[in-house]
Amino acid sequence: GDSVTQMEGPVTLSEEAFLTINCTYTATGYPSLFWYVQYPGEGLQLLLKATKADDKGSNKGFEATYRKETTSFHLEKGSVQVSDSAVYFCALSSSGANNLFFGTGTRLTVIP
Amino acid sequence: ETGVTQTPRHLVMGMTNKKSLKCEQHLGHNAMYWYKQSAKKPLELMFVYSLEERVENNSVPSRFSPECPNSSHLFLHLHTLQPEDSALYLCASSQSLRAETQYFGPGTRLLVL
Repeated sequence: GDSVTQMEGPVTLSEEAFLTINCTYTATGYPSLFWYVQYPGEGLQLLLKATKADDKGSNKGFEATYRKETTSFHLEKGSVQVSDSAVYFCALSSSGANNLFFGTGTRLTVIP
Repeated sequence: ETGVTQTPRHLVMGMTNKKSLKCEQHLGHNAMYWYKQSAKKPLELMFVYSLEERVENNSVPSRFSPECPNSSHLFLHLHTLQPEDSALYLCASSQSLRAETQYFGPGTRLLVL
């Protein structure tokens, strides 16, 4: 079945460090891929998405590229801020499915 | 209010209690979802509603009973829960059933004693 595997956390970085959170997926067909973010005490919010191979999603300095050959959608940011501290979820949506498949989430803590 | 709201935000209940979680979306969406978020596990989809009709029930125990009286409101009725049901319960909505972007509420943190 469809699934998403993302790196386990927690991840702790200093402010202005480079961030990578790995995500790989298993799916039939051509899924759309997403990163959602959950700030403390809040629900999940869509951060970025990509709907086809080689697409790059970007938002708030975060980027992720849909790599079909490696079935990956790694999240990157060049310089993290304290305000980026949150839990990040990779997700996929298969064509014809009624729902999103989420990873386990990766907690990021950025320290000043 | 805007977006998706959930009440209560926190709930503590005994195993013999009956309680209900409420979700309301102010986005004009036609699909609504209940998810369970437990530590170190992927979000688990519990129920999906489209235009007030249940379209998916992912083998959820009968002690969880959803209700969707209209397209803006979604309830999760809880009865005779177990301690392992303690989790964050998230409600989400989307424009239509297969719309790819879902909008989440802040969740209800449930503790079953």
